[in-house]
Amino acid sequence: AQKVTQAQTEISVVEKEDVTLDCVYETRDTTYYLFWYKQPPSGELVFLIRRNSFDEQNEISGRYSWNFQKSTSSFNFTITASQVVDSAVYFCALSLGTYKYIFGTGTRLKVLA
Amino acid sequence: DGGITQSPKYLFRKEGQNVTLSCEQNLNHDAMYWYRQDPGQGLRLIYYSQIVNDFQKGDIAEGYSVSREKKESFPLTVTSAQKNPTAFYLCASTERGLGYNEQFFGPGTRLTVL
Repeated sequence: AQKVTQAQTEISVVEKEDVTLDCVYETRDTTYYLFWYKQPPSGELVFLIRRNSFDEQNEISGRYSWNFQKSTSSFNFTITASQVVDSAVYFCALSLGTYKYIFGTGTRLKVLA
Repeated sequence: DGGITQSPKYLFRKEGQNVTLSCEQNLNHDAMYWYRQDPGQGLRLIYYSQIVNDFQKGDIAEGYSVSREKKESFPLTVTSAQKNPTAFYLCASTERGLGYNEQFFGPGTRLTVL
């Protein structure tokens, strides 16, 4: 069975701190896709990144970076120098290339000024 | 601007009533989805549609119904058979229903049963 685990329910940091959000996935398929979404208080999920199982390169986009490690089945997300605007719920999701997307339970990030 | 619209943003329903949540997209996407989000839980799939006039049940379809008469529209009806309908409902779409595309989400509808 496929599963996504985000063990951190809520994280609080002070502005300018770095923070890492963990995502561990389970699947026996060799082809799969991983996603991160941000859900701000307005409610709409915003796509952040997609990674396929054949591409283990880490990615950096501004203050955001992602570390994909197949050996540990993890796809962790780091925010450098966090800002108040980063406060949101972050979801990790897994797809096997079919219609279905499996979401983790989300991590609520609070960045305090 | 392309995107997904959902209406209404807030909806109150009396027990025993059916209500319909609207979802419209102008992204020309083939696939559309309905999710339910409860506090502390991830998104759970209610229904999805990969093409007009076709839709499939997701993990928690009981008490819900949908239609897909137009590519742009995928309304969700919450029926009186749904035992605990109070939740946040999100509509999403993808270019193709093949799982490698990112999903685009609407702003959601918060349904409260009084």
